[in-house]
Amino acid sequence: GAGVSQSPRYKVAKRGQDVALRCDPISGHVSLFWYQQALGQGPEFLTYFQNEAQLDKSGLPSDRFFAERPEGSVSTLKIQRTQQEDSAVYLCASSSGAYTGELFFGEGSRLTVL
Amino acid sequence: DAKTTQPTSMDCAEGRAANLPCNHSTISGNEYVYWYRQIHSQGPQYIIHGLKNNETNEMASLIITEDRKSSTLILPHATLRDTAVYYCIVRTLPGAQKLVFGQGTRLTINP
Repeated sequence: GAGVSQSPRYKVAKRGQDVALRCDPISGHVSLFWYQQALGQGPEFLTYFQNEAQLDKSGLPSDRFFAERPEGSVSTLKIQRTQQEDSAVYLCASSSGAYTGELFFGEGSRLTVL
Repeated sequence: DAKTTQPTSMDCAEGRAANLPCNHSTISGNEYVYWYRQIHSQGPQYIIHGLKNNETNEMASLIITEDRKSSTLILPHATLRDTAVYYCIVRTLPGAQKLVFGQGTRLTINP
């Protein structure tokens, strides 16, 4: 596809369940980012990959959050033992790393933890 | 990356120019000013960026003051589809890759 694709678009989980959110970046984009956006707030950085290497995970809120990008393309954000405070939209973005530094965002995965 | 300050909300009439201000008084010499917007239920979308010269593209114009401590994003002929949250972000290139979002300005275009 032409843009960043995220799935599922909507996910409802019971507290304590594990969830996995998928991101398909734009083909050829070496950089991939995950952001968390709570209702009414700006997106908050979670983690950054360059190809398969996770270069920055300073924004991950706890060790329940884990992200991977094993082949340098598709990425998965996994949240273990979900809590109500994890309810948010999770945004994925990719970048070619070219000079403009423009990030292309997907539409996000909305997670609701009951 | 330098912090930015934006008004929480603004209104503009359809067809008029929308001027969105941003203060970034602690910006350093190698930091660029970026603007993104986020329409409801969508991911943020790149609009424009600049270092010190004014910039224009098909979406908007960016005016940066000579001392670079503030800037204005101009949407020359606002339409209802321009209703969105607009984020002003300062970042270095090509060093730090991530964008640090603030609260942004909620721009409402009124018919």
